[in-house]
Amino acid sequence: DGGITQSPKYLFRKEGQNVTLSCEQNLNHDAMYWYRQDPGQGLRLIYYSQIVNDFQKGDIAEGYSVSREKKESFPLTVTSAQKNPTAFYLCASMPSLNTGELFFGEGSRLTVL
Amino acid sequence: EDKVVQSPLSLVVHEGDTVTLNCSYEVTNFRSLLWYKQEKKAPTFLFMLTSSGIEKKSGRLSSILDKKELFSILNITATQTGDSAIYLCAPRGNFNKFYFGSGTKLNVKP
Repeated sequence: DGGITQSPKYLFRKEGQNVTLSCEQNLNHDAMYWYRQDPGQGLRLIYYSQIVNDFQKGDIAEGYSVSREKKESFPLTVTSAQKNPTAFYLCASMPSLNTGELFFGEGSRLTVL
Repeated sequence: EDKVVQSPLSLVVHEGDTVTLNCSYEVTNFRSLLWYKQEKKAPTFLFMLTSSGIEKKSGRLSSILDKKELFSILNITATQTGDSAIYLCAPRGNFNKFYFGSGTKLNVKP
């Protein structure tokens, strides 16, 4: 089935550890996005990528890093520099750069102890 | 600065009521506006609006966009408990960036 797969769904880490969240899509979509959602809030953009080997910072990129080496993959690393990493992380993709809506994965819930 | 404001932030109604959710925006190089429903995890797509004044409908849900006044509304008629969710609007602007509002949390009571 076509879709966006995020893993892991739940993740616990100790403070100071880097964490990488996986996002894979088999929809052949060009653009991919990472959003963060905190309780009672909307989605805030962390990073996005419109083509392979290129990505741009969103509104809250500090403490995060990404790569886009393959069209289908857009992993997010939450580094120890992120002050408050506990949140729900959503990955999304869009079919083309000119039109369409965002398709979302099921999300990854990160808890830093 | 690009911004999106949704209102109300939360709403409690009874089954059968009609609700109107609001989304106002200021986005550079506006291209389209999306509405999503989020129940537990992944938001699910409802509507994409690109032109003013053209209502989009899907069952009991409908939405319309006003590009002059920079707002959109989402209407839900004859609400059901299954409509309970967070409703998010997301205008699309420069560089294919989507700006999400904080959402409206709808609670439909039996």
